[in-house]
Formats: sequence, structure tokens, C-alpha cells
Amino acid sequence: EVQLVESGGGLVKPGGSLTLSCAASGFDFSRTWMSWVRQAPGKGLEWVGQIKSPNGGGTTDYAAPVRDRLTISRDDSKNMVYLQLNSLKFEDTAIYYCTALSTWGGVIVMSYWGQGALVTVSS
Amino acid sequence: DIQMTQSPSSLSASVGDRVTITCRASQSISNYLNWYQQKPEKAPKILIYGASSLPSGVPSRFSGSGSGTDFTLTISSLQPEDFATYYCQESYSAPRTFGQGTKVEIK
Repeated sequence: EVQLVESGGGLVKPGGSLTLSCAASGFDFSRTWMSWVRQAPGKGLEWVGQIKSPNGGGTTDYAAPVRDRLTISRDDSKNMVYLQLNSLKFEDTAIYYCTALSTWGGVIVMSYWGQGALVTVSS
Repeated sequence: DIQMTQSPSSLSASVGDRVTITCRASQSISNYLNWYQQKPEKAPKILIYGASSLPSGVPSRFSGSGSGTDFTLTISSLQPEDFATYYCQESYSAPRTFGQGTKVEIK
């Protein structure tokens, strides 16, 4: 069974930093691209960024609103993916979802989602 | 970056109704278009990929069509469990932009 379990959410002050972790199991993690999606309270889904598998180059892509503050990394020995966001702003308050990407019919799909981790930026 | 525009933002419908949601991309994305369903307090799940393909387990009342810039999600006969928010997402390139969502509510 595929599982993605996020951890590390909570209350953070503006200007601070957060690191979210996502523990993956039930699939070949080292060959899987991973991504993060966030959802502000009552709002829609926002793609945050992705990290490719090592054989895909291991490179990252980030959304423009967070590009200068975001680092996504992975540890394939532990089946973990991480999101580090610095200089937090009130508008970073959201549920952050870890997703596993699959290629179905040549199309990249967010095939599995974690349950989400709530991050609240407040003074 | 590619912009995705969904319409309507919300709709009210009755059980058994046919429901159509549209999604427009700001440039051609071929068939690199996915639809996700999100129920309250739950993570989204993939509903349709590649504009028209259904993953295993998704009921056949859901269908998708379109190519290029214009796409449609259709629910042929709305069921109680289909009341949710639906998002399109382009999978053509990063950033993989989502539409703003369509909330399907009970009339």
C-alpha cells in the first residue's frame, strides 16, 4: 500500500523557517519524482515545487511565489522528501501536501497524496 | 507560465443531473491535462489523466474531453458522493498550474 506521511507542520512566526518531511512507502521511491502542493484555508490548490528522481537528474523546479525561499530535497536511502521554506509570510499559511508523481500514458500525474501538514504563520 | 481558467467556480445540481465543468489553458497543452477531485477535509485524488483517461476505480459516469486549450469534465449522472471540488491541472511543464476549482454543491 502506498503511503505518504507528512510531518513537521505547526505554528511558525513570520520571518521564520519551516521544514516539512514526507515519509514514503509502498512504491519505488528512488525512481519517483515527488512534489509539494499547498492549499491556503478555504482556497484552491497551489503547486509549490517538485524534485525529480536521481535517474531523472534529481533537479528541482519551484513556483515563482516561493522560488527564492524554497528548497526541496530528498534522501533516497530513507525514502524521504523534504520541503524547507524560509522567510515565512502570513500568506504561506496552508496545508502542505506531499505527492508522488507517476507517468501514465506519457502524462505526469499526481498519483498519490499525503494527508497534508498544516502550517500556520502567525505572530 | 501557463494559466488555467476553470468555469464555473461553483454550481448547484441535483442527484441525477448531468454536470459539465470547463477548463481553458492560456496556451496549447495538447492532452497534458489532469482532473482531481477533492472532498471536504480530504486530500485530492486523481480523477482523469491525459484529458480523457480514467484511472482504475473511477466510475464511468466521469468523462473528460478536449485537447489543445479547451477541456471538459463531465459527470453523466451526479451521485451523492460526487459533491466535491474539482480542479484541472496542466501537466505540460513546470509549474504545473491548477485551475481555481469548481465546487459542486447539492441543489
